[in-house]
Amino acid sequence: AQKVTQAQTEISVVEKEDVTLDCVYETRDTTYYLFWYKQPPSGELVFLIRRNSFDEQNEISGRYSWNFQKSTSSFNFTITASQVVDSAVYFCALSPFGNEKLTFGTGTRLTIIP
Amino acid sequence: DTAVSQTPKYLVTQMGNDKSIKCEQNLGHDTMYWYKQDSKKFLKIMFSYNNKELIINETVPNRFSPKSPDKAHLNLHINSLELGDSAVYFCASSRLYPGGTEAFFGQGTRLTVV
Repeated sequence: AQKVTQAQTEISVVEKEDVTLDCVYETRDTTYYLFWYKQPPSGELVFLIRRNSFDEQNEISGRYSWNFQKSTSSFNFTITASQVVDSAVYFCALSPFGNEKLTFGTGTRLTIIP
Repeated sequence: DTAVSQTPKYLVTQMGNDKSIKCEQNLGHDTMYWYKQDSKKFLKIMFSYNNKELIINETVPNRFSPKSPDKAHLNLHINSLELGDSAVYFCASSRLYPGGTEAFFGQGTRLTVV
């Protein structure tokens, strides 16, 4: 069975602060994919990143960065210099390799205070 | 051009009615999905189709019947609607073979049963 835990239900930070969203996963698969999706107030689900279990390199994309640590089964997401437009619900998700069935965490609602 | 489009965006109906939600993708993907997001924002897969064949059916009441007339379409028909069916339903698509891609989501259909 697969499980994704996002322990932070809600986070509020003041604009320009850095913020890290935690994600811990459980799987018996040796190969798998991890994802982050953003759901802004408008409701759509926006893909942010996919990482396969072979690749533990951290990734940076502009103000976004991801820290994948297999040893702790974590895939954390950091937003640097947060902006009001970053306010959204963020979902971490897990999928077996070769099967894109996504198991989602319960989401973290991030509010950036201007 | 919208990659994954669902119609309608909003659907309000009475208990006991039958309704359909349509989904189309123009990404050339071989796999399509239905996910349900409940009032607490929890996202869970309902069905998955690969090349028009059902590959995932996640303990969904048989009042829900997906239909895939071709690879680009996956419709969801719901019979005898119940209050508990109120949710946001997301269609998604991805490519499983060759290689895998992330899932791209439609904008969601907010179903309200009264």
